[in-house]
Amino acid sequence: DGGITQSPKYLFRKEGQNVTLSCEQNLNHDAMYWYRQDPGQGLRLIYYSQIVNDFQKGDIAEGYSVSREKKESFPLTVTSAQKNPTAFYLCASSIGLAATDTQYFGPGTRLTVL
Amino acid sequence: AQSVTQLDSQVPVFEEAPVELRCNYSSSVSVYLFWYVQYPNQGLQLLLKYLSGSTLVKGINGFEAEFNKSQTSFHLRKPSVHISDTAEYFCAVSYGGATNKLIFGTGTLLAVQP
Repeated sequence: DGGITQSPKYLFRKEGQNVTLSCEQNLNHDAMYWYRQDPGQGLRLIYYSQIVNDFQKGDIAEGYSVSREKKESFPLTVTSAQKNPTAFYLCASSIGLAATDTQYFGPGTRLTVL
Repeated sequence: AQSVTQLDSQVPVFEEAPVELRCNYSSSVSVYLFWYVQYPNQGLQLLLKYLSGSTLVKGINGFEAEFNKSQTSFHLRKPSVHISDTAEYFCAVSYGGATNKLIFGTGTLLAVQP
């Protein structure tokens, strides 16, 4: 089955620690995205990547970092610089960056900072 | 600024009744419109999309939406809802450009009661 996997499903972190969220897709999509979702709000774009070894900041990139070493993988690191990291994180992918390219989402990772 | 408005944060409805979830977007020359559904603690699943052509779009699970350019709306409808339709529904808009950036509404919780 083709799709997007995210791991872990739940993640707990102590303040001051960095943590990395995994996102893998086997859809052969070129573009990948990371979104953050908070209660009562829509999704906000953190980072996106069009091709391997290239990525761009979204609307709320501060305190986050990404890498794109392989086409199928786009991990997100939540650093200690992120002031309010507790949220639901969603990874998505699309064939390309055209406005008509549908974005498909993974199941999400819920991060809680203790 | 480009924006998407979902005025109703929650819509309670009885099973087998019709429902309409409202979505309005800020005007633009070209827009591409999407509705996603999110079940608790899961990722987003595409319900339907409007890219061009017929303004009435049919999606999965019996949902449909109508693109109304003059009213800048893309309301989601279903003639008869089921308990299993209880979920959060997000309207999203792409205004084109080089990033395939989706702008999401804040979501509408559809609560179907027996």
